[in-house]
Amino acid sequence: GENVEQHPSTLSVQEGDSAVIKCTYSDSASNYFPWYKQELGKGPQLIIDIRSNVGEKKDQRIAVTLNKTAKHFSLHITETQPEDSAVYFCAANGNTGFQKLVFGTGTRLLVSP
Amino acid sequence: DAGITQSPRYKITETGRQVTLMCHQTWSHSYMFWYRQDLGHGLRLIYYSAAADITDKGEVPDGYVVSRSKTENFPLTLESATRSQTSVYFCASSEVTGNTEAFFGQGTRLTVV
Repeated sequence: GENVEQHPSTLSVQEGDSAVIKCTYSDSASNYFPWYKQELGKGPQLIIDIRSNVGEKKDQRIAVTLNKTAKHFSLHITETQPEDSAVYFCAANGNTGFQKLVFGTGTRLLVSP
Repeated sequence: DAGITQSPRYKITETGRQVTLMCHQTWSHSYMFWYRQDLGHGLRLIYYSAAADITDKGEVPDGYVVSRSKTENFPLTLESATRSQTSVYFCASSEVTGNTEAFFGQGTRLTVV
């Protein structure tokens, strides 16, 4: 089955800096890669996703890149703000048999004013 | 209110007791999922359901039972709680599985003493 590894586990940046979180996946058949943000005391919420037919997707200050050959994808947050502080999870769908999301172990992002 | 709700939000139970966590969604999504969240492990799938009366095991199903007699409800039962089942449990639903947004509930923090 699919296996997703996520790095780093924690990331501290200054407000205004950029943050990058990286994930690798094992199943070459995976074709959907979402990113979820989890704020304290809440459930994860989708912030951006990418499908295997594109290499990059942007939504305001966040972007995701996908390298299918290397089987890795990354989340980029520019001009970070304190409200970006949260836990971020990447996932892949393991497109073999019944598709279900397999999540990375999460990255705790702390943005200091 | 539309959405996905979990109850209770917090629960303390004793080892060996049976406990049921409730999940209710108002979108009539076909797919529902139960995850547990533990430090260092991210989100791990316990059970999922493709429709009423159709359920299947995820990555970590041992010690758990699910049912889905109605589309909108997906309760998770710990038949005989153990300390290793102390965790935060999240229910999620999606219209399609594996390639579209999954919507998560607020979570249930379960402590087994």
